[in-house]
Amino acid sequence: NAGVTQTPKFRILKIGQSMTLQCTQDMNHNYMYWYRQDPGMGLKLIYYSVGAGITDKGEVPNGYNVSRSTTEDFPLRLELAAPSQTSVYFCASSYSRSTSDEQYFGPGTRLTVT
Amino acid sequence: AQKITQTQPGMFVQEKEAVTLDCTYDTSDQSYGLFWYKQPSSGEMIFLIYQGSYDEQNATEGRYSLNFQKARKSANLVISASQLGDSAMYFCAMREVNTGKLIFGQGTTLQVKP
Repeated sequence: NAGVTQTPKFRILKIGQSMTLQCTQDMNHNYMYWYRQDPGMGLKLIYYSVGAGITDKGEVPNGYNVSRSTTEDFPLRLELAAPSQTSVYFCASSYSRSTSDEQYFGPGTRLTVT
Repeated sequence: AQKITQTQPGMFVQEKEAVTLDCTYDTSDQSYGLFWYKQPSSGEMIFLIYQGSYDEQNATEGRYSLNFQKARKSANLVISASQLGDSAMYFCAMREVNTGKLIFGQGTTLQVKP
C-alpha cells in the first residue's frame, strides 16, 4: 500500500512551458485534492475531485487544469508556466468528505519556474 | 468565509518542556473538523491530531493534545515534553463540510533548543 504518490519530486520549467504533475493513490479514495504551498505559507486548494469524471475549482485554479478519468489518478496540468506558479504542490486524498476523515498527503512536487 | 488564524510565526521551546501553539478559526458551519499537521524540513505533511466540532472531550495522541474551546473558536495544540525532532512547521487546518477541503493557517515554526 503506497498511499499517495506524486511525480516528479522536483522540476524546473522555463516561462511558457507546460507540464503535468502526476498523482496516484491506491487506497480506493473517492476524494482527491491538489494544493499549492508558497514559501512560508499554508496550503491553498487548486482543484478537487469527488470521484472519477467530476472535478471542481478551489481557491486558486487560474493557470491549471485537472482531469479524473480513474479513481486512482488525478493529474494536474500547468499550461504556459509563469514565475507565480513556483511553489510546492501537494496531492491529497480521502475516502469521503466527512469532517472526521483524514486526508492523506503525497510527498509533494517542488516546482520552479524561471 | 471560513478562516484559520495562527498568530505565532515562530516559537522557541526548551527540550523536555511543554509548548502551546495557537490556532483560532472562523466558520458558520455547525459541523467541522480541526486538524493539526507537522511539516518537517523534509517537506512532507504529517497528520498529528483531529478534533471534531461535536466532540466534548479534548483530543489526545501521545504527546499531542488539542485544547478545544468552542465558544472562543480556538483549537490550540499542546506538545508535552518537547523533543529535538519536534522542530518543524505546524499547521492548523479546518475541514469544510461541503467539499471536504482543508483550509490552512499560515503555520508556526517551532524550534526546540537542547
